Amino acid sequence: QVTLKESGPVLVKPTETLTLTCTVSGFSLSNARMGVAWIRQPPGKALEWLAHIFSGDEKSYSTSLKTRLTISKDTSKSHVVLTMTDMDPVDTATYYCARMTTGSYVNSYYFDSWGQGTLVTVSS
Amino acid sequence: QSALTQPASVSGSPGQSITISCTGTSSDLGSYNLVSWYHQHPAKAPKLLIYEGNKRPSGVSNRFSGSKSGNTASLTISGLQAEDEADYYCCSYAGSSTYVFGTGTKVTVL
Repeated sequence: QVTLKESGPVLVKPTETLTLTCTVSGFSLSNARMGVAWIRQPPGKALEWLAHIFSGDEKSYSTSLKTRLTISKDTSKSHVVLTMTDMDPVDTATYYCARMTTGSYVNSYYFDSWGQGTLVTVSS
Repeated sequence: QSALTQPASVSGSPGQSITISCTGTSSDLGSYNLVSWYHQHPAKAPKLLIYEGNKRPSGVSNRFSGSKSGNTASLTISGLQAEDEADYYCCSYAGSSTYVFGTGTKVTVL
């Protein structure tokens, strides 16, 4: 059974750095057909893809947030970590990690398993 | 990357069919048939319904179907049921290993 679970602080202050950890089970972060993404959702708003990482350590970031994001993984611990610097109240959101599975075509990936999400509030 | 455009809300009666549109640009949705659809019930994580435009993962009802024409993808729900009431999101590959989600559609079963 595939599971993903997000962990991290529930409250951060403006200008602080957020560090979130996604712990996965049921699949390996060394699986060449899979990756892990971070996706967030402000309260009452839409989903927003933030970043992802694949087994070969290939990484990609949202164009609008790339200067603030870093994604990394520890395959031995089944952890994927996202850091976001200079947090602002507009970054208040539920942060999800999701497994990415490759499809039939080049660049074809989809988010087939999701964690329950973790709500992060940015406030002084 | 601008979000893909979806109608804010769509409604239908039980048993009816409804279609949710998802409009992008020639830089994202129009260039790739790599659209996926998700639904999200209140306070729950999203769940995959459709990938690669029209493929259903194992376990997803065949009442859900996807299509694409030009810069617009569509999700059709046939035989609408009360349990289909949820928020629906499209997602497309946007080039350079990036992804973009839609603005979301709230489906109401009347």
